[in-house]
Amino acid sequence: TQLLEQSPQFLSIQEGENLTVYCNSSSVFSSLQWYRQEPGEGPVLLVTVVTGGEVKKLKRLTFQFGDARKDSSLHITAAQPGDTGLYLCAGEDNNNDMRFGAGTRLTVKP
Amino acid sequence: KAGVTQTPRYLIKTRGQQVTLSCSPISGHRSVSWYQQTPGQGLQFLFEYFSETQRNKGNFPGRFSGRQFSNSRSEMNVSTLELGDSALYLCASSLKASGIYEQFFGPGTRLTVL
Repeated sequence: TQLLEQSPQFLSIQEGENLTVYCNSSSVFSSLQWYRQEPGEGPVLLVTVVTGGEVKKLKRLTFQFGDARKDSSLHITAAQPGDTGLYLCAGEDNNNDMRFGAGTRLTVKP
Repeated sequence: KAGVTQTPRYLIKTRGQQVTLSCSPISGHRSVSWYQQTPGQGLQFLFEYFSETQRNKGNFPGRFSGRQFSNSRSEMNVSTLELGDSALYLCASSLKASGIYEQFFGPGTRLTVL
């Protein structure tokens, strides 16, 4: 069982659509990160959220950390084919260990 | 600033052999973590080194080992390779600054065991 549950596992949409992916846990995290990984490459850090309720925007990407610091969401507006990839969330638990979710594999069709 | 580098990028071995993978962290980063990534299991934590000491270890057999040198470069070794060890092995470095733990990944080493 994953400590961090990501949903959906797979998502295929058309260019221009909006989407939200989720990262949920029963545990509290002192910080949470979102990464994007392309085939054959390592994950690339997109954002770190630290404060409960925090919202961060990175161009068309909006990240939110839940008030209780147990969950997070990533919303993409007007998705583009370049957004295709595996989106991973990772949280630092109270033991200062990094835990990863299984990821959401996003495909944006032109 | 140069990113995390891993060598080699691709490796093909046969069952029973052993392999050593190398990771050079971002300059100034003292923490290096290793992960195994497979389609079925996702990212699985192997171990973390900080200032040449293994700080934490994941749930992997003793065939998987690692070390870190005084310049923070790290190596991991897998002995007696099995088919199931085929995976992308990722190294991540971190500054481990106060309160926030951000990891920066290398491109990975793709290991294929035949």
